Amino acid sequence: AQKITQTQPGMFVQEKEAVTLDCTYDTSDPSYGLFWYKQPSSGEMIFLIYQGSYDQQNATEGRYSLNFQKARKSANLVISASQLGDSAMYFCAMRVNTGGFKTIFGAGTRLFVKA
Amino acid sequence: DVKVTQSSRYLVKRTGEKVFLECVQDMDHENMFWYRQDPGLGLRLIYFSYDVKMKEKGDIPEGYSVSREKKERFSLILESASTNQTSMYLCASSFQSGGPDTQYFGPGTRLTVL
Repeated sequence: AQKITQTQPGMFVQEKEAVTLDCTYDTSDPSYGLFWYKQPSSGEMIFLIYQGSYDQQNATEGRYSLNFQKARKSANLVISASQLGDSAMYFCAMRVNTGGFKTIFGAGTRLFVKA
Repeated sequence: DVKVTQSSRYLVKRTGEKVFLECVQDMDHENMFWYRQDPGLGLRLIYFSYDVKMKEKGDIPEGYSVSREKKERFSLILESASTNQTSMYLCASSFQSGGPDTQYFGPGTRLTVL
């Protein structure tokens, strides 16, 4: 079964420190894509970063990096130098090529950045 | 920038009413999606469409229908609203390609059914 698991319902981090949000996935499809989205309290889902299953290097976008460990089926999001504005819900998602254009989302992790 | 708009941010309806949620995107995307978001469950796909007049059921289509008469517009319809349909509804669109298929989301509609 295709599934995304985020085991941390909530996390705290001190401002300016780095934080890792965990994500594990399950699929038998050899070709898939992994995404992270941020949802602030305003409600809008904001795309952060993408990693393809065949990408050799870990994806990075500014302060965001994706720690992709294919053998472990994990795709953790690392936020460096946390800012107060990083407080939000974070969703890990997976797109598989079977079954059309479906993207499966995890339950989310709420991140609180402390001043 | 991709812009996805939804007709209402907040909506309150009564049980049994017919409810229309509208979504419009301005980037000529082929794919459009409707999700509902509930605490602890993440986002669950209701319906999606990969072309005008085409629709596919997602994971939880029961109690919902959709309409896509124009490429930029995707409507979600609750034929007879029930209290268990109280939720946040998110619309998304994406470009159809062999690439990442990144979805871009609207601001969401928080629907309360009394």
